[in-house]
Amino acid sequence: QLQLQESGSGLVKPSQTLSLTCTVSGGSINSGGYSWSWIRQPPGKGLEWIGYIHHSGSTYYNSSLKSRVTISVDRSENQFSLNLRSVTAADTAVYYCARVAYCGGDCYYYGMDVWGQGTTVTVSS
Amino acid sequence: QSALTQPASVSGSPGQSITISCTGTSSDIGDYNYVSWYQQHPGKAPKLIIYNVNSRPSGVSNRFSGSKSGNTASLTISGLQADDEADYYCSSYTSIVIFGGGTRLNVL
Repeated sequence: QLQLQESGSGLVKPSQTLSLTCTVSGGSINSGGYSWSWIRQPPGKGLEWIGYIHHSGSTYYNSSLKSRVTISVDRSENQFSLNLRSVTAADTAVYYCARVAYCGGDCYYYGMDVWGQGTTVTVSS
Repeated sequence: QSALTQPASVSGSPGQSITISCTGTSSDIGDYNYVSWYQQHPGKAPKLIIYNVNSRPSGVSNRFSGSKSGNTASLTISGLQADDEADYYCSSYTSIVIFGGGTRLNVL
């Protein structure tokens, strides 16, 4: 079945750029009209949606992070990526990638139905 | 985009039922049926348990049910089991995604 795996630097210095990649296995990132999302969870806190790249190629971001975030997709590598610029300690979190699914008719939005296991990123000098 | 409002914690005994509320606004929960619920056990990734207010993904127990009234969505878990002890998050979709602050369910 479809699996997602996050990878990237676990330690980033303040003011630098956090870069993570999510590799999709067991299926193609091009199939099914799905979107691809990033979510994070600071230590001991709740989930925070970062953004997603729609199957059309459009991107949607959390307004509080929009000025620092870029989500992109590399269809040839079956991966999508997150870049978060000018990080501070407040960006320390577990970062998850997830697939966003849609359903038909009146339903339309299904939700994030497949998640990676998460990767811990610490911002510290 | 403000977070949806959930109680910090709820408790119940095995076999009982509990309900977790999720309050948004007329611009999100009140205007769309795109409400999802996620279950997260400690150290694990979240799992989708409810979509479209009251639908269950394949494989999710029918002890989980959802509803909505006005700007508030609710998750009900019946026949509580020890394994239900987890954090629960509601979420709304309006082309952007908003999560609730999360509710810790304690099974006593």
